[in-house]
Amino acid sequence: GDSVTQMEGPVTLSEEAFLTINCTYTATGYPSLFWYVQYPGEGLQLLLKATKADDKGSNKGFEATYRKETTSFHLEKGSVQVSDSAVYFCALGVGDGGFKTIFGAGTRLFVKA
Amino acid sequence: NAGVTQTPKFQVLKTGQSMTLQCAQDMNHNSMYWYRQDPGMGLRLIYYSASEGTTDKGEVPNGYNVSRLNKREFSLRLESAAPSQTSVYFCASSELRTGGNQPQHFGDGTRLSIL
Repeated sequence: GDSVTQMEGPVTLSEEAFLTINCTYTATGYPSLFWYVQYPGEGLQLLLKATKADDKGSNKGFEATYRKETTSFHLEKGSVQVSDSAVYFCALGVGDGGFKTIFGAGTRLFVKA
Repeated sequence: NAGVTQTPKFQVLKTGQSMTLQCAQDMNHNSMYWYRQDPGMGLRLIYYSASEGTTDKGEVPNGYNVSRLNKREFSLRLESAAPSQTSVYFCASSELRTGGNQPQHFGDGTRLSIL
């Protein structure tokens, strides 16, 4: 069935370090792909999305490219800040009518000053 | 800028008690969802409503019921709470549109403890 696998955390980085959080998926058809971010005590917020192969989603310095050949959607940021400390979820949009979303387990990121 | 509003934010119940978690969205979205979030397990879908007047089971529906009261409101009911239902519950909504899945908008969650 459809599934999402993302790297386990926590990931601990120093400020201004390069970030990569790996995400791979299994799905039939042509799903949409998302990254969500969750700050402490809050719900998930959409960070970026891509709806077709080779699309690059970007927001707030984060980027991810929809790679159909490797079924991946890795999240990257060139220089992380303390304020980026949060839990990041990779997600796959599937289902008839295109409204169901499958979430990965989440990766916690800690950024040290 | 309310978005998705969940009530209550915190609740403690005793085993066997019942309660209803409320959710309302003001974005005119067709689809609404209830998830539970447990450590190390991401979000698991309990029930969803693709559009007003329809509801369907998700991945973990046992022990829960839902009501899509109108386009804005989608409630989750625990008829007889069990300690295994201790979790953080999130309501979400999204547009229903062809041409690719739409992102979901989340409330801030209800933290529920069952003693």
